[in-house]
Amino acid sequence: DQQVKQNSPSLSVQEGRISILNCDYTNSMFDYFLWYKKYPAEGPTFLISISSIKDKNEDGRFTVFLNKSAKHLSLHIVPSQPGDSAVYFCAATNFGNEKLTFGTGTRLTIIP
Amino acid sequence: DAGVTQSPTHLIKTRGQQVTLRCSPKSGHDTVSWYQQALGQGPQFIFQYYEEEERQRGNFPDRFSGHQFPNYSSELNVNALLLGDSALYLCASSEGQLDQPQHFGDGTRLSIL
Repeated sequence: DQQVKQNSPSLSVQEGRISILNCDYTNSMFDYFLWYKKYPAEGPTFLISISSIKDKNEDGRFTVFLNKSAKHLSLHIVPSQPGDSAVYFCAATNFGNEKLTFGTGTRLTIIP
Repeated sequence: DAGVTQSPTHLIKTRGQQVTLRCSPKSGHDTVSWYQQALGQGPQFIFQYYEEEERQRGNFPDRFSGHQFPNYSSELNVNALLLGDSALYLCASSEGQLDQPQHFGDGTRLSIL
């Protein structure tokens, strides 16, 4: 039972354009969502998070949007840079739990 | 400020053997979680340790066990290794406070022959 789904295994975007990565979840108990970025041979690096009391959170070039009614979140990166090329994982949990449930990841490639 | 450190980086074992992986959390963090990441998949939660006790456990058999020491470092032990245990094992630490993200180490790549 895949509770967190990233349906796009890969995405290619031109440098300078917007990258949009999507994530869907099925467990309505989830109330805290995170995005991690992973380079080869490194562990996941935390990017940005959002709690269910918000519908948007921004940090520099990264913005996460949450649509609770659709159980959908997205990560926007603008402008996209070559260093953004990596695998992006969406993760979900609920407060007081700390167990992260991950999606299968989306490989983002930024084309110079 | 050292982040989460894991050792060893790579390990090769044969079926039936036992393995111990080690993790030192980020400074100031008291909670350690372990994840298994198979090829092409997202990390899967194994268990979490806090105050030297297992606080939560994922859907993994008893062959997977762990320990947390008074200095908050942790070990993951896997007995009777199977070919399917080949994966990247990730350790993550956190402050144990709500809404604080977990920080990951670079993992231990375990290969079972």
